[in-house]
Amino acid sequence: EAQVTQNPRYLITVTGKKLTVTCSQNMNHEYMSWYRQDPGLGLRQIYYSMNVEVTDKGDVPEGYKVSRKEKRNFPLILESPSPNQTSLYFCASSGQGYYEQYFGPGTRLTVT
Amino acid sequence: AQSVTQLGSHVSVSEGALVLLRCNYSSSVPPYLFWYVQYPNQGLQLLLKYTSAATLVKGINGFEAEFKKSETSFHLTKPSAHMSDAAEYFCAVRGFGGTSYGKLTFGQGTILTVHP
Repeated sequence: EAQVTQNPRYLITVTGKKLTVTCSQNMNHEYMSWYRQDPGLGLRQIYYSMNVEVTDKGDVPEGYKVSRKEKRNFPLILESPSPNQTSLYFCASSGQGYYEQYFGPGTRLTVT
Repeated sequence: AQSVTQLGSHVSVSEGALVLLRCNYSSSVPPYLFWYVQYPNQGLQLLLKYTSAATLVKGINGFEAEFKKSETSFHLTKPSAHMSDAAEYFCAVRGFGGTSYGKLTFGQGTILTVHP
């Protein structure tokens, strides 16, 4: 089954404790992205990647890091999480063509 | 820069009534536009997409959208609402050029409520 998976689905952590949210896709897609969703703001892109070792900042990259060492994986790293990063995070991937994006199930992060 | 504005953060309709969700875009190039739906506690699912082939686009679950360049609009409609249509709907525009092909800019979302 073609899918985008994220782990963990739920995470509660404390300020300053480094964390990684994993994302993997099995569709051999070139493009992968991370978004955060906040009430009233819709989805905002954090980072995106065109292919292995090629990444670019989205609209809200501050406080986040990404890496793309393998085509199927695109982890999101919060090196020193803060409460304002409490949000719902989505990973997405897309292939060549019209670039419609396929979304993972989401990771709900709470930083206390 | 491209942007999307969804008019109305909440829309309420009766079951069987017309659904109209409004989306206006800003783009310096011919846009690729998308509508996504998010059911409670789920990820986003693609409803339909506009890729310049036809101005009236049909999607899943009976939804359709019409691209109007003169009005810079891409409104989503469904002739008869069903209770199962209750969800949040997002309009989005794709980036253009180089790595920006992977960039989607979303509107703020519209929550659709369907009353029996």
